[in-house]
Amino acid sequence: GAVVSQHPSWVICKSGTSVKIECRSLDFQATTMFWYRQFPKQSLMLMATSNEGSKATYEQGVEKDKFLINHASLTLSTLTVTSAHPEDSSFYICSATRPKGGSSYEQYFGPGTRLTVT
Amino acid sequence: GDSVTQMEGPVTLSEEAFLTINCTYTATGYPSLFWYVQYPGEGLQLLLKATKADDKGSNKGFEATYRKETTSFHLEKGSVQVSDSAVYFCALTYTGNQFYFGTGTSLTVIP
Repeated sequence: GAVVSQHPSWVICKSGTSVKIECRSLDFQATTMFWYRQFPKQSLMLMATSNEGSKATYEQGVEKDKFLINHASLTLSTLTVTSAHPEDSSFYICSATRPKGGSSYEQYFGPGTRLTVT
Repeated sequence: GDSVTQMEGPVTLSEEAFLTINCTYTATGYPSLFWYVQYPGEGLQLLLKATKADDKGSNKGFEATYRKETTSFHLEKGSVQVSDSAVYFCALTYTGNQFYFGTGTSLTVIP
């Protein structure tokens, strides 16, 4: 089946530094990738929608200058948390869309990246 | 708008007990419905899905039936195991592209 990977799986960084998280679709070309953030014991909050070769679409309340998304190819999207602060500590999950034909798709989720900002 | 409402947890059951996790949805159209499972420290895994009314999704002993008349997609399992301890998310989508998730229900199964 289709696989989506994320790297790193966990990262600890100091406050004020930037962290890049990669999301890759390993065996298919993803037309769209999504980035979610999950707070402890809460659901996934959609942060942004990323299409290859175009600017990401951010959800209301998500700072686009803080969470930089680059969808460089059909198999890679990156999320960079700039000038990270402890409140950015969270579990970040990406998902990738594989077209099934017509207007239907399959969605595959990555394993997540645990970010801790100290 | 479209949304998903799940029963609040956490849910604690003894091994071999019957499980029901309620999920209801509000939709402007005719979505597909999903249950995802998240084990500790991991991402989401698709558990089962149903694409139209009266469809039953099933996997690993879990079942859920798409009930249009009650706008529900309750998750059930006849006999839970310790290994079923996880967080379960109900979700809907129209095209499989954008998903709307419920808040998740944490399940703990004790031996």
